[in-house]
Amino acid sequence: DVKVTQSSRYLVKRTGEKVFLECVQDMDHENMFWYRQDPGLGLRLIYFSYDVKMKEKGDIPEGYSVSREKKERFSLILESASTNQTSMYLCASGRMNEQFFGPGTRLTVL
Amino acid sequence: QQPVQSPQAVILREGEDAVINCSSSKALYSVHWYRQKHGEAPVFLMILLKGGEQKGHEKISASFNEKKQQSSLYLTASQLSYSGTYFCGTVTGGGNKLTFGTGTQLKVEL
Repeated sequence: DVKVTQSSRYLVKRTGEKVFLECVQDMDHENMFWYRQDPGLGLRLIYFSYDVKMKEKGDIPEGYSVSREKKERFSLILESASTNQTSMYLCASGRMNEQFFGPGTRLTVL
Repeated sequence: QQPVQSPQAVILREGEDAVINCSSSKALYSVHWYRQKHGEAPVFLMILLKGGEQKGHEKISASFNEKKQQSSLYLTASQLSYSGTYFCGTVTGGGNKLTFGTGTQLKVEL
């Protein structure tokens, strides 16, 4: 079974803090993705990576950056967290044709 | 631009049928369907490539109308286990990323 794990299920941070969300996959997938999920807005792509050290902006990259130093790990970074970044963050890995999602991190920014 | 899903929500009695629609304003290369049960990660259901094909397994199937730039997901003889939020994702011609719709909440009751 493909396994995608995320470092935290719940996270509470303060406005202005730097936040790191970590994602690890165990299936040697080239592609990894970060989405945020908000009620009524569905899943929106923040960034994706198709190889180590390679990244590409998704639909809503503003306020975020990513890092992929190893194939199995893809990190999402909030440089200076803001309250409008309170959301559920989902990581996925796989091919474009089929993505496997992690359990999500519910981030609250106070 | 996100594809448009309809309806936004639907409640069914066990054994009833449902159709979920997904429409795009751009020419589609492929349509992907995922289901997310409450509190869980989204799970891949199926992919349809341009060509007007219909796919499915057991009582869940989907069609893809390339000319109309839309896809429909058919759930027949619904079961309690079908409850969840259904997302369509689209890859438009020339694109390299998957864009999800806002989701359709399906609830199956006894």
